[in-house]
Amino acid sequence: QKEVEQNSGPLSVPEGAIASLNCTYSDRGSQSFFWYRQYSGKSPELIMFIYSNGDKEDGRFTAQLNKASQYVSLLIRDSQPSDSATYLCAVSQAGTALIFGKGTTLSVSS
Amino acid sequence: EAQVTQNPRYLITVTGKKLTVTCSQNMNHEYMSWYRQDPGLGLRQIYYSMNVEVTDKGDVPEGYKVSRKEKRNFPLILESPSPNQTSLYFCASSFGGGSNQPQHFGDGTRLSIL
Repeated sequence: QKEVEQNSGPLSVPEGAIASLNCTYSDRGSQSFFWYRQYSGKSPELIMFIYSNGDKEDGRFTAQLNKASQYVSLLIRDSQPSDSATYLCAVSQAGTALIFGKGTTLSVSS
Repeated sequence: EAQVTQNPRYLITVTGKKLTVTCSQNMNHEYMSWYRQDPGLGLRQIYYSMNVEVTDKGDVPEGYKVSRKEKRNFPLILESPSPNQTSLYFCASSFGGGSNQPQHFGDGTRLSIL
């Protein structure tokens, strides 16, 4: 059974700080990685996605992949209270199924 | 507007009464998928479809059926619902015939089976 693991949190950071979220995956052959944000009672929305060929930055968000250690990270710079949500890591399994971690709850205090 | 539409949004029903949750997307996406989300268990994939007439089991397919007769529609069928299928369900779709592309999610369907 392929697995994706995340620390459930909560991860608490003050406004303006950097929030660092991590995710480990078991399938060494995985090549596509996604971060979704989910507010309570809402559907997941895509924040970032990266492929095995490199890291990615988009505004305040940076996604990084460490293939050797099989983990993916999401950095949120200048964290805002509106970033408070659950962050879901998802990993494509052989391009067919998609496996989600259980999510990390982020709380940004003003 | 590009969207994934699920119906109904909320449903309370009884054990054993067949139900169907519809999912439709207007983005001409090949890949569609159903998930259930439960507290402490996260999002788990039920079934996915890589194109018309091509479906496969995800992590938790027991008690569910799907069909993909048209590209835009991917209904989830519970032939004989049981209380352990009470959950929040999401349909999602993505471009391309696999799970390598970002998925667009519907707004969710909250099912309660009594």
